[in-house]
Amino acid sequence: AQSVTQLGSHVSVSEGALVLLRCNYSSSVPPYLFWYVQYPNQGLQLLLKYTTGATLVKGINGFEAEFKKSETSFHLTKPSAHMSDAAEYFCAVSDRPPPYLPTFGRGTSLIVHP
Amino acid sequence: EAGVTQFPSHSVIEKGQTVTLRCDPISGHDNLYWYRRVMGKEIKFLLHFVKESKQDESGMPNNRFLAERTGGTYSTLKVQPAELEDSGVYFCASSQYRGQGNSGANVLTFGAGSRLTVL
Repeated sequence: AQSVTQLGSHVSVSEGALVLLRCNYSSSVPPYLFWYVQYPNQGLQLLLKYTTGATLVKGINGFEAEFKKSETSFHLTKPSAHMSDAAEYFCAVSDRPPPYLPTFGRGTSLIVHP
Repeated sequence: EAGVTQFPSHSVIEKGQTVTLRCDPISGHDNLYWYRRVMGKEIKFLLHFVKESKQDESGMPNNRFLAERTGGTYSTLKVQPAELEDSGVYFCASSQYRGQGNSGANVLTFGAGSRLTVL
């Protein structure tokens, strides 16, 4: 069965610092991997996804994630945090038969300090 | 295009009362999903409609939960009678997925959620 582990329920960084949000998954087959973000009072928004091909995936707002099969990881990074990045981030995996519904992690709240 | 709309955004009810949550998916999306997040935990799947038919309701917690999608447009999720453990955020999502071949990924578009508090 597929599952996702997000290390750290809260991550705190200073504005301008590197953002690293960790995600490890378990999957019986090559997975589809996603990062979603939820800003306050808004819906879950897709940041980026990995399906096939290039393992480094670029998303919106300067975020990117790298699929590492050997480490079963899909960590999310951004070189320089901005105050507007403060939100909750969810990693998800889908390897089920169609319709490939995602299984989510517990989420990580990103706190950005001035 | 308009996104997925959910109503109400927040509902506070007493244990034993009934609450109905509504979701309007993106126009043209045949697939509609309900998910729930209990505080601090994972976002968990509840059920999946394809048009007006329930494709998968394996995540529904118990028979106090009833989801409908009459006419294949908007959907409602009724909790009757509500219990304390039903508190959480209920997310609705929709997608166009029709079993595409090459990229099998099914990208869901989520609404802002309906926060339910049962006292």
